[in-house]
Amino acid sequence: GQNIDQPTEMTATEGAIVQINCTYQTSGFNGLFWYQQHAGEAPTFLSYNVLDGLEEKGRFSSFLSRSKGYSYLLLKELQMKDSASYLCAAMDSNYQLIWGAGTKLIIKP
Amino acid sequence: TAGITQAPTSQILAAGRSMTLRCTQDMRHNAMYWYRQDLGLGLRLIHYSNTAGTTGKGEVPDGYSVSRANTDDFPLTLASAVPSQTSVYFCASSADDSSYNEQFFGPGTRLTVL
Repeated sequence: GQNIDQPTEMTATEGAIVQINCTYQTSGFNGLFWYQQHAGEAPTFLSYNVLDGLEEKGRFSSFLSRSKGYSYLLLKELQMKDSASYLCAAMDSNYQLIWGAGTKLIIKP
Repeated sequence: TAGITQAPTSQILAAGRSMTLRCTQDMRHNAMYWYRQDLGLGLRLIHYSNTAGTTGKGEVPDGYSVSRANTDDFPLTLASAVPSQTSVYFCASSADDSSYNEQFFGPGTRLTVL
């Protein structure tokens, strides 16, 4: 079956670095997406990886290892506004997104 | 640019009643999607449309129907609502259905079925 696993909740301190892990099993693979979702709002796109390696976008970076079925989202210099849920989604062979349940990130001052 | 709009924002519906959730995008995207989001679960695809005039079933299509008469609109209909359809419903669109096309989401409709 198809499955995405990510931690339910994480806590970090303002100004610190946090890494949110995601493992996936899909029928075929056409890329790994990360979205941010603030409470009561819609998900918004953060990053896309299809090749192995690290993609950096400002304070956010995303890593992919296709052989391990593993990705992580790295958030640096955490700000209070980064408190949100982070959704990992893998695109399968039919170009459908399979979504994880999300990781709720709590930032403490 | 509005992007994607959904209506209503929220609704309380009696079990057995029908309802249509509206979704409109102004980005001329070919692909559109309906998801439901429940606590503790990932977004689950209900139905999708790769282009105007075509629709397909997602992971949880039972009890829902869709139509795609034109590029902009993708309504979701619940023919006879049941309490298990209480959820937050998100409509999304992407330029097409291939890889590396991020999906843009509407603000959601919070539906409660009593």
